[in-house]
Amino acid sequence: DQQVKQNSPSLSVQEGRISILNCDYTNSMFDYFLWYKKYPAEGPTFLISISSIKDKNEDGRFTVFLNKSAKHLSLHIVPSQPGDSAVYFCAALPTGANNLFFGTGTRLTVIP
Amino acid sequence: DVKVTQSSRYLVKRTGEKVFLECVQDMDHENMFWYRQDPGLGLRLIYFSYDVKMKEKGDIPEGYSVSREKKERFSLILESASTNQTSMYLCASSLILGTGSTNTQYFGPGTRLTVL
Repeated sequence: DQQVKQNSPSLSVQEGRISILNCDYTNSMFDYFLWYKKYPAEGPTFLISISSIKDKNEDGRFTVFLNKSAKHLSLHIVPSQPGDSAVYFCAALPTGANNLFFGTGTRLTVIP
Repeated sequence: DVKVTQSSRYLVKRTGEKVFLECVQDMDHENMFWYRQDPGLGLRLIYFSYDVKMKEKGDIPEGYSVSREKKERFSLILESASTNQTSMYLCASSLILGTGSTNTQYFGPGTRLTVL
């Protein structure tokens, strides 16, 4: 049973525009959320995270929003650049646990 | 910077062979993890370890075993490789059990294993 869902397997965006990647979760025990970026033939790299006590975290061009009542988070990339083309995974951590639960990923293509 | 290294980037093995995948981290992290990544399925946890000689099953442990004899090293073993174990294998580590950023996992570059 997939507890973290990324319902869009792919997304294409024009360079300079905003990319919005979405993630939904079902487990109310999740209290920490992360986004990872993965290029082909490389391991995922940590991008940005957010604690459940916040609703927004910003780091440069990347902003993560958390809506706890809707069990939804999103990653905004503004402005999008061709180098942002990658697969993005959201992940969630339950309270007191060691292991992350990952979504299935969204492939972002930024068109020059 | 955290560095997680994996022994091979690409590996080709035959059905029935015993396969060892090695992972080393250099940041004194307590937790280490093995995942496999398959198209459309995301990252699935095979095993993890929160201490030397300790291990916990993840979501898909069947056909795999692990070994953690030293804190920095976590090995994944395929006792008898099968074609359905062809996949990208990713190792990760995180600092300690706690809140927030201590649980951020850092990944190695991955091993693309092909079983013929």
